[in-house]
Parts: sequence; structure tokens; C-alpha cells
Amino acid sequence: ILNVEQSPQSLHVQEGDSTNFTCSFPSSNFYALHWYRWETAKSPEALFVMTLNGDEKKKGRISATLNTKEGYSYLYIKGSQPEDSATYLCAYITGNQFYFGTGTSLTVIP
Amino acid sequence: NAGVMQNPRHLVRRRGQEARLRCSPMKGHSHVYWYRQLPEEGLKFMVYLQKENIIDESGMPKERFSAEFPKEGPSILRIQQVVRGDSAAYFCASSPASGSGNFGNEQYFGPGTRLTVT
Repeated sequence: ILNVEQSPQSLHVQEGDSTNFTCSFPSSNFYALHWYRWETAKSPEALFVMTLNGDEKKKGRISATLNTKEGYSYLYIKGSQPEDSATYLCAYITGNQFYFGTGTSLTVIP
Repeated sequence: NAGVMQNPRHLVRRRGQEARLRCSPMKGHSHVYWYRQLPEEGLKFMVYLQKENIIDESGMPKERFSAEFPKEGPSILRIQQVVRGDSAAYFCASSPASGSGNFGNEQYFGPGTRLTVT
């Protein structure tokens, strides 16, 4: 069984705070890592697709880094807003298979 | 451009009945993935299909579950003789093909089908 772990499981931050969370995955047989944002009662939405060690991607206030050698990716949110409240999922892709972490649930308190 | 469509959104079946879940990928997408989310758990990969081909079904239970993606029409996830443990949300996602393989492409998710087995 392949483990993709995300930490923390849940997080509460004040509006305006910056925050980050971690996705850990096996460092062998890596093909790609995806980050998704999943709001309650909606479908997961892709944030980033990362394939190269050292990749850094940015979309507005959200950014992500990737270290395939040690098997982790960080997602950063700068100046959190209430609309950032969601579960953030990472997916590790190897071979033909996609392994999702259980997500980090973020609540931003106004 | 319509997104990924799944129907029905909610499905109730009695134990022993069959459940058929449909997924229409986004226009131009030829790759479909099915995931299951059991209560209090994350998304678990079930199967990856391209038109008329099952690429990887290693996440699918060996019995009672099958999936297809015909040349025409939606992808179907079929669960025969449902049991209470099959109650879950089933999500479908699609992605476009690319020349070098698909795994670097982001997936677009449908709204899910919530199956309840009574």
C-alpha cells in the first residue's frame, strides 16, 4: 500500500495570516504531483501540476514547491481569506495510478 | 464548454440490486478516472480508462465492480449485487490526452454520485 500523507489534517487561521501545509509521498517512481482544492458541496478543482524536482508554481496568493528527492511538496497561502476555506488535496502519480492524500482542511476565520 | 457530468447525482439501491453510474467527460477529453470516497475517508483511485480501453483497474474491487468507456457515450461504472459497504460518493474525472502520456495533465472532476445502499 502506497502512502501519501498530508499534514496537518486541519487548520484554523485568522484572515490575513499566511499558512502552509505539507504533502509527503514516496520518492521513488515519481511521475507527477497534483494539488487540488475541494470546497464543500463542490468537486475538486486543480490548482497545480508539478513534475520536476525544484518546481515552484504560483497562482495568485497560492504557491507550491516540490522536492522529489526527499518526497514532499509544500502549499503556501499568503494573506488567507475566508474564501480560501476548503480542503486541499495532493495527488501523487506513479505509473498509471493516482494516489490522493486525505487532505488538509483549512478554515479561515474572518 | 460543459464540465464533467455525472448522473445520477443521488442513487438509492437495495442490497442485491445493480447500480449504474454514468460519467460524460469534458468535450475533447479521452481519459476518464473513477474514484470512490467512503464516509470519513479520502478519494481512492479505482480505474483509469481511455476510449474502449481499461488502462489500469488496480484500485477496483475484484468482484461485482466493472467499468467501461465505449467509443460512443458516457463511461459507466457498474456495481452488481450492491452491499451496504458500497455506500459512498463516486467521483469521475477526465483529462485530455497528450503525446507524452497523460499523467502530467490536471484532472477535471464531476460533481459525484452519492450511492446509498439500504
